Amino acid sequence: KNEVEQSPQNLTAQEGEFITINCSYSVGISALHWLQQHPGGGIVSLFMLSSGKKKHGRLIATINIQEKHSSLHITASHPRDSAVYICAVLGGNYKLTFGKGTLLTVNP
Amino acid sequence: NAGVTQTPKFQVLKTGQSMTLQCAQDMNHNSMYWYRQDPGMGLRLIYYSASEGTTDKGEVPNGYNVSRLNKREFSLRLESAAPSQTSVYFCASSELRSYEQYFGPGTRLTVT
Repeated sequence: KNEVEQSPQNLTAQEGEFITINCSYSVGISALHWLQQHPGGGIVSLFMLSSGKKKHGRLIATINIQEKHSSLHITASHPRDSAVYICAVLGGNYKLTFGKGTLLTVNP
Repeated sequence: NAGVTQTPKFQVLKTGQSMTLQCAQDMNHNSMYWYRQDPGMGLRLIYYSASEGTTDKGEVPNGYNVSRLNKREFSLRLESAAPSQTSVYFCASSELRSYEQYFGPGTRLTVT
């Protein structure tokens, strides 16, 4: 079973700061997802990537397959970025294994 | 285009009662999933349906049954609810099993 570890568990930042959330996994995967969950519960897919780097607005996701590691970066953070960020890996059996999430709070 | 919808949003059951959680998607996706989310744990897969007419167990299937009614709808049934099934339940869908998943808004279930 793939173990997915996220760090940090909790992160508090000031508006405008550059934020990094990390995800490590134990077994080779076919793809990795970054998801966002706002208070109130809805889950939104931010990125799905299997190599390299993807960018969407102020969000950047990178993955290093050899090191089994991915990072999610948020540039110029804003209070509306406050949410739980979840990493999930897609194994060879096409099932997602989820990390426990990182709670991000951005203060104005 | 509503995406993935779930009903109900909230439900309180007594131990032993039964209920069905409904999920529908309007994106013509082949694959659908039921997850549960508990405090301090990652989302866990209960059941999935890779395509219309097929269903398979996930990580935590005990106490649940599912029906893939048609391509749009995938329901989750609790035959005899237990307090351990208190959780938030999410339905998701994807075009294929290897593709990005889209999540519904969730159902918060409390079993007393």
